[in-house]
Amino acid sequence: QSALTQPASVSGSPGQSITISCTGTSSDVGTYNLVSWYQHHPGKAPKLLIYEDSKRPSGVSDRFSGSKSGNAASLTISGVQAEDEADYYCCSHAGSWVFGGGTKLTVL
Amino acid sequence: EVQLLESGGGLVQPGGSLRLSCATSGFTFASFTMSWVRQAPGKGLEWVSSITSGGGTYYADSVKGRFTISRDNSKNTQYLQLDSLRAEDTAVYYCAKRAVPGKFYFEYWGQGTLVTVSS
Repeated sequence: QSALTQPASVSGSPGQSITISCTGTSSDVGTYNLVSWYQHHPGKAPKLLIYEDSKRPSGVSDRFSGSKSGNAASLTISGVQAEDEADYYCCSHAGSWVFGGGTKLTVL
Repeated sequence: EVQLLESGGGLVQPGGSLRLSCATSGFTFASFTMSWVRQAPGKGLEWVSSITSGGGTYYADSVKGRFTISRDNSKNTQYLQLDSLRAEDTAVYYCAKRAVPGKFYFEYWGQGTLVTVSS
């Protein structure tokens, strides 16, 4: 399986909304509802933000939301804050695990 | 509180071996699939291996035949034996706990341990 496609970087000012895309194929993202998203601050443990395309674990801010259409998933962060500056990864499972290349969010 | 603590990383020469450990607490270890995910310098995350509660093992093609995953439920610990190491295996290796059976996402992660393969 090839890595899922994410933009290398996105940026936004505090309070703005940003969206990170994650493109796969009908064999991974487009199959079932198994896309998850992770936030990773360098040097720390990655953190689950979204699972099963759009579900949010308890304790995760409702500023984070996920969606999917066809072979493309998206993570939206509403009201970006300085603490959101991190790397974000999408992941899909279709027999095996495949991650996106990661997107670095810069808060201006 | 769920905790995952990796150890065992270090500097090793090409062709060498290393054993990584992931000590866990805060959940019923024996009931969950555990995994290893790595991140090479400047690269994204890459799934490496998983072991089910029943001991079934799965590997990425890039490590199949060279890495061996195992678990000791009495110690709440999983392991990753790294043999025939190559420069491209240089990465931070993360331990990850999968969600309940039937759910396909990584619920908790450790902070990682760095493996450097270099002469």
